[in-house]
Amino acid sequence: SAVISQKPSRDICQRGTSLTIQCQVDSQVTMMFWYRQQPGQSLTLIATANQGSEATYESGFVIDKFPISRPNLTFSTLTVSNMSPEDSSIYLCSVVSSGGPDEQFFGPGTRLTVL
Amino acid sequence: GENVEQHPSTLSVQEGDSAVIKCTYSDSASNYFPWYKQELGKGPQLIIDIRSNVGEKKDQRIAVTLNKTAKHFSLHITETQPEDSAVYFCAASRGGNTPLVFGKGTRLSVIA
Repeated sequence: SAVISQKPSRDICQRGTSLTIQCQVDSQVTMMFWYRQQPGQSLTLIATANQGSEATYESGFVIDKFPISRPNLTFSTLTVSNMSPEDSSIYLCSVVSSGGPDEQFFGPGTRLTVL
Repeated sequence: GENVEQHPSTLSVQEGDSAVIKCTYSDSASNYFPWYKQELGKGPQLIIDIRSNVGEKKDQRIAVTLNKTAKHFSLHITETQPEDSAVYFCAASRGGNTPLVFGKGTRLSVIA
């Protein structure tokens, strides 16, 4: 399985600011995804991070609010822009393992609190 | 799109008893069904998965069953231990590089 790290692990931010979350994988992977997990809730897909092209966003999520970069096959960033308290969540990146055709592994998450 | 329902939302069992969590899905094209365990402060961990060409899969104390006709799949944990206490999520996808759709989760508490 892929080893995934995220930075920062947690942060407390002020309303109106932006935070960029980094996701690093120890091997090249084709697919990377970003999920949001609101307190006590399930995981909701934000977008698919595409290498070399714009991310594909799910309904309810827009590029201006959650810009994503994917400069290579091992790294991606998610920015949460112009934050409000409603953005307080855990943000998780995940990858599809190159070893198995379907297996998806998650990073440890970034716990964001917006005051 | 796919919709995954998961029950129960909370489950308490005595140590040594079995625990069963059930999920249903709506998309008949879904063919990959993983289960994740999430401990407090950690990301979800893949514990077992099943594909649509298989009816049952077992890994030590954990088993998953799939009924494609009824569009439901279940997680079975036998001889539960306190360290099994966590939130469990089921998910479904069309496989390959398609993203997962998650159930709402089950908080399992194993009482020693």
